[in-house]
Amino acid sequence: EAGVAQSPRYKIIEKRQSVAFWCNPISGHATLYWYQQILGQGPKLLIQFQNNGVVDDSQLPKDRFSAERLKGVDSTLKIQPAKLEDSAVYLCASSLFAGQETQYFGPGTRLLVL
Amino acid sequence: SQQGEEDPQALSIQEGENATMNCSYKTSINNLQWYRQNSGRGLVHLILIRSNEREKHSGRLRVTLDTSKKSSSLLITASRAADTASYFCATDEEPGGSYIPTFGRGTSLIVHP
Repeated sequence: EAGVAQSPRYKIIEKRQSVAFWCNPISGHATLYWYQQILGQGPKLLIQFQNNGVVDDSQLPKDRFSAERLKGVDSTLKIQPAKLEDSAVYLCASSLFAGQETQYFGPGTRLLVL
Repeated sequence: SQQGEEDPQALSIQEGENATMNCSYKTSINNLQWYRQNSGRGLVHLILIRSNEREKHSGRLRVTLDTSKKSSSLLITASRAADTASYFCATDEEPGGSYIPTFGRGTSLIVHP
């Protein structure tokens, strides 16, 4: 069984530029999560999708971050414009369905904003 | 917000010793999960314990849950150098009935060969 795929693995941009990350969850997993993990901290949930609907995006900085999962499968997370404090690892995870289920994580995208 | 908080923040032991790390949380939960993260990699699920369970085992891992104290512990027995990683507990919050996974800051474990 293929795991959660993410790309790119690394990205370096300058502040005020835009960047997009892509995630392909495990086949058949209805729930998809995007997390931000700043160095030395635990992952912080940015947005959770159930199929193509948003379950929670209360911690997503909506003035600069956006995410979509149009066909209920893969997803993109965009930052526009980026700030220095956005430097972090962005993790995508999926689970069969929402509600106390095991999450399977991708390798993450490491973003450095200069 | 971070619900689970792991303790200690860092732990350094010799191979063969046991490693114990703790997690405290604030609100009622339905389950608590432990994850491992190797440097530069994604998180790997280790074990899930439900609120009506007190102890669970998986190989060299033993997890306990005390809902009265709002705490959990992860014990790794006979540790190996390959166990070197960060360990996170994750709890669920249910504002409005939605499951919101919340991770702590993690315990960094170093196992010296």
